Amino acid sequence: GQSLEQPSEVTAVEGAIVQINCTYQTSGFYGLSWYQQHDGGAPTFLSYNGLDGLEETGRFSSFLSRSDSYGYLLLQELQMKDSASYFCASEFPAGNKLTFGGGTRVLVKP
Amino acid sequence: DADVTQTPRNRITKTGKRIMLECSQTKGHDRMYWYRQDPGLGLRLIYYSFDVKDINKGEISDGYSVSRQAQAKFSLSLESAIPNQTALYFCATGDGRDTQYFGPGTRLTVL
Repeated sequence: GQSLEQPSEVTAVEGAIVQINCTYQTSGFYGLSWYQQHDGGAPTFLSYNGLDGLEETGRFSSFLSRSDSYGYLLLQELQMKDSASYFCASEFPAGNKLTFGGGTRVLVKP
Repeated sequence: DADVTQTPRNRITKTGKRIMLECSQTKGHDRMYWYRQDPGLGLRLIYYSFDVKDINKGEISDGYSVSRQAQAKFSLSLESAIPNQTALYFCATGDGRDTQYFGPGTRLTVL
C-alpha cells in the first residue's frame, strides 16, 4: 500500500527557511511530487523528484532519498504569500496515480 | 480561460438526491481524475480515466460513479447523496508525466 507522513503545521517568520519532511511507505514507488494549496484554492504543482537528489526551482527546492524513503520541500526566503498548505504525493506507477500526504500548513508571520 | 473547469462551484443538496459534478479541460490530456478533500486532510482519489473507454476505481469509489463523455469531459455522480459526502471535490488532468493540473474545485454540502 501507500502512505505518506508529513507534519501538520509549521510556523515561521518572513525571510526564514522552512523544511517540510515527507516520509513514505509505498510499493511500486516512482517519484515524489509536491503541491501547494492556498486556502480555498486548487492544488498547484511545485516540483517533482524522480531520482535521488536535490531539485531547485527558484526559492523552492525538493529532495529525495529512496534509500531512506524520505523527501523534503525546502522553502527559502519565506514570503507572506507562501502561507499555504503543502502536500507531498507519491506517484505509482509512473504518471498514473498520485497518493497524497495529509498536508503541512505553513503559516508565515511578519 | 482556465484550462480545467468545474461546474457547479458550490452546491447544497439534500440526502438522497442525485448529484452530478462536471469537469471540462482544454489541455488536450488523456488522463483525468476525480479527488475528494475533507477539511485538514489530503486529497483522496475517487476515480480516474486514461482515455474515453477507460474507467478505474480509486481508493474511495463507493457511492460514486463517473462518465467519460469525451476526451475533454469527465463527470462525477453521486446517485444518492449522503451527509458524509460533504467535501471539496477536485477534478484534475495529466499528460502521463509527473504533473497533474487541478480544477478550481466544487464545494458540495449534503444536508
